[in-house]
Formats: sequence, structure tokens, C-alpha cells
Amino acid sequence: RKEVEQDPGPFNVPEGATVAFNCTYSNSASQSFFWYRQDCRKEPKLLMSVYSSGNEDGRFTAQLNRASQYISLLIRDSKLSDSATYLCVVNGPNTDKLIFGTGTRLQVFP
Amino acid sequence: EPEVTQTPSHQVTQMGQEVILRCVPISNHLYFYWYRQILGQKVEFLVSFYNNEISEKSEIFDDQFSVERPDGSNFTLKIRSTKLEDSAMYFCASSEDRTGSGELFFGEGSRLTVL
Repeated sequence: RKEVEQDPGPFNVPEGATVAFNCTYSNSASQSFFWYRQDCRKEPKLLMSVYSSGNEDGRFTAQLNRASQYISLLIRDSKLSDSATYLCVVNGPNTDKLIFGTGTRLQVFP
Repeated sequence: EPEVTQTPSHQVTQMGQEVILRCVPISNHLYFYWYRQILGQKVEFLVSFYNNEISEKSEIFDDQFSVERPDGSNFTLKIRSTKLEDSAMYFCASSEDRTGSGELFFGEGSRLTVL
């Protein structure tokens, strides 16, 4: 089983749509969870951290289910500028290493 | 806004040659990292560096790789004898806190092409 698994997409959605991405991780001892965004041929940038209670940042909502080892990202009212690859990222206990998923590509069209 | 800077942006080299990739982390950060991304694949951890020594390294980071902080600002990755499979984008990153508690700031990357 991959350490962090994501549906690669692409997800093609119209502007204004709501889109959800899912991610599963294999190490039940993982402690920190993040969504990063990566534009084509650019560096990853932190979108948001993911907390057990769930958290929201504007149009973005992240959820964590530790029992199922499942993380989600919901984007409401999609904008053209949301087009990017969304990386699910996990950090285990007592390690500096961030483990990245392969990413889910989102394309928002007019 | 402070940022991580990397040079060169692109380097082409012959197999077997030595390559040094340079990074200037954000000035008040204490933790430094190198990651790489082979084209079309996921971002992979190479090494972390704290308090002037390697704190963790991956199985990718073999004897051909080394890191150094030669002065107060630069953080370098050296590949001693490049192989074709070293072709990738190499990202330097820095953070104020250890990875799990803080945001990692990535540089724009150095694309290495080994011929």
C-alpha cells in the first residue's frame, strides 16, 4: 500500500462548482497533515494544515478521519485560479520527513 | 515577503560530473531540507539539516549526496558523480519549526538534467 494515496484526476470542473479531493495514508501513527498546492513546474506551497476537528479557510475546507486514515479537501465556488495540482502531505511521529501523495490535478474551466 | 532562493534554476551536466545546487533559506529559519521531484512523479524527501548537521536522510540520499552549510546563509546539495536517474527538480525548503508543527517554505527549484 502506498504511504499516501490520491486519485490523480484530472478533475475538470466549471467555474463556481464544488469539488472534493480524497486522500488515504497508511501509517496510523502519522501526526500532522497538510494540503499543498503545486502549479505546473513550480514549487509546492502550503494551502492549509488539517486538524482532527476539521478546519475551513475561506472556500476551502479540510477534514481528517483518523480512524479511517482519510483526509479530504473541499473547494467551493471554484475559480479559474484554483487550477493546479493538490498534494496531500503527511508527517509521521519523530521524523522530519514530509510524505507527499502524487497529487490530484484540478482544471477549472470558464 | 521573505523567500527561499535557489541557484541555478536549470543545470545540464554530463553523467559522472559533480553538481552543486545552492540555496539561501529564509534568514530566521532553523531547519533546512532538500526534496526532489522526478518529472511526473511525487515530491520525495532527501535530507533534513538542523544545527549544522544532518538530522534525517532518506534511502535516496546515498554516498553520492552531501549537504553543507558553508556560511551563515547558504545551504548546498552536492551530487558527486551524477547518474541519468538523478535528473529531477531539486527543491530546497526551510522552516522555523520542525516539519510537523510549522509550514515548509520551498524555493522555486533547480532543474537538473543529466545527459
